[in-house]
Amino acid sequence: EAGVTQFPSHSVIEKGQTVTLRCDPISGHDNLYWYRRVMGKEIKFLLHFVKESKQDESGMPNNRFLAERTGGTYSTLKVQPAELEDSGVYFCASSPQGRGEQFFGPGTRLTVL
Amino acid sequence: AQSVTQPDIHITVSEGASLELRCNYSYGATPYLFWYVQSPGQGLQLLLKYFSGDTLVQGIKGFEAEFKRSQSSFNLRKPSVHWSDAAEYFCAVGPYNTDKLIFGTGTRLQVFP
Repeated sequence: EAGVTQFPSHSVIEKGQTVTLRCDPISGHDNLYWYRRVMGKEIKFLLHFVKESKQDESGMPNNRFLAERTGGTYSTLKVQPAELEDSGVYFCASSPQGRGEQFFGPGTRLTVL
Repeated sequence: AQSVTQPDIHITVSEGASLELRCNYSYGATPYLFWYVQSPGQGLQLLLKYFSGDTLVQGIKGFEAEFKRSQSSFNLRKPSVHWSDAAEYFCAVGPYNTDKLIFGTGTRLQVFP
C-alpha cells in the first residue's frame, strides 16, 4: 500500500510569489490533514478535511493560505503571496474514518527568500 | 491550554545505552498519546500510541512508553539504542477520533558508536 506522498519535496521561492503544495493521501482515507513546522518549533495543525469538506481550519494562519480537496482525493495548499515567515516544512497526513492514527507524508520544505 | 512539552531538544547517547525521552502534556480531557519518529528524508512514523488500558505500551523498533496520569507524562524508553535510532522524536496528544494532534517541539537523538 502506497503511503502519503507530497510534492514537491523542496520549494524555494521569493517573497511575493505563489506556491502550491500537493498531497496525495493513502487511497480510501477520508481524513486529510495539513500541518506545518517552522524551524525549531513544534509541528502545528493547519486544517482537516473530511472527504472534500473542511472540518476544521482553525490553524490556518491567514487568508494567504488556501487549501482545497476537490473530489475528496488529493489536496493542494496554496500560499499567495508568500512571505518570509511562511518558510518551514509542510506535512500532510491522512487517516481512515474512525481511526485515531494519522499517517504522515515526508513533508515539503518551503523556503521563502 | 492544551500543550505538549519535550524538555530535551537534543540528546546524545552511545550505541547500546538505554534511552528515555521525556514528554509532559497539558490536556483537558482524557488524552490520547502518541510518539512519532522522523528519520532524515522520511515522513513521521508512528512508534506507539496510548488510548486506554495498560499504561505501559509497546511499540515498534523495541520502543515502549509509560503513561503516568499523576505526572501528566508519557516518556519513551528503549533499553538498548542502535545507531539506526538516530532521528527526531515527537510526542503528540489529541482526541481519538481523527482530529488535530498537538505536538511537542521534538527531541533530536544522536547515537555514537
